[in-house]
Amino acid sequence: TQLLEQSPQFLSIQEGENLTVYCNSSSVFSSLQWYRQEPGEGPVLLVTVVTGGEVKKLKRLTFQFGDARKDSSLHITAAQPGDTGLYLCATPRNGGSQGNLIFGKGTKLSVKP
Amino acid sequence: IAGITQAPTSQILAAGRRMTLRCTQDMRHNAMYWYRQDLGLGLRLIHYSNTAGTTGKGEVPDGYSVSRANTDDFPLTLASAVPSQTSVYFCASSEVASAMEEQFFGPGTRLTVL
Repeated sequence: TQLLEQSPQFLSIQEGENLTVYCNSSSVFSSLQWYRQEPGEGPVLLVTVVTGGEVKKLKRLTFQFGDARKDSSLHITAAQPGDTGLYLCATPRNGGSQGNLIFGKGTKLSVKP
Repeated sequence: IAGITQAPTSQILAAGRRMTLRCTQDMRHNAMYWYRQDLGLGLRLIHYSNTAGTTGKGEVPDGYSVSRANTDDFPLTLASAVPSQTSVYFCASSEVASAMEEQFFGPGTRLTVL
């Protein structure tokens, strides 16, 4: 069974700082999604990446998919308190293509004003 | 209603009792999912349904059952609750059963089994 490792587990920074969080696996990802979950709510999709080496940008968020498709990173520029939340990566279970996903344990980000 | 609704919002349940968590979506999505989220363990898939009339087992299906009689509803039943089923339960849906599709999550049900 594919396992997703996310790091760091916790991150506390000041407003305006940059940060990077990581999602790694020993197996190749068929595809990867990043979600953000705010306290008391369900996760919300940020991005889906499929192609090795792919880079996607969403305002101040930059997502990279490793060339070998075994790792991904999320970089936030000039973090704001509104970025606070749990960042989760997810990939299809057993490398499949259906929506049967496994999730990493997440990186809990706190951005202080 | 817009999106996914779950009921109840929270529940305290005695061990051994039967409990059904309700999930309804109004997006006409084909695929639906049930997850549990536990501190230190993340989100884990319990059961899923790729289309009405079909269901499948996820990562942690033991002690849970589901049904998908129609497109909109996907109830999760605990036949005889145990304390280890204390968790936050999320229902989700996607337009089709594809890893490329966005999964839309409900607000969750916080369940405590004593």
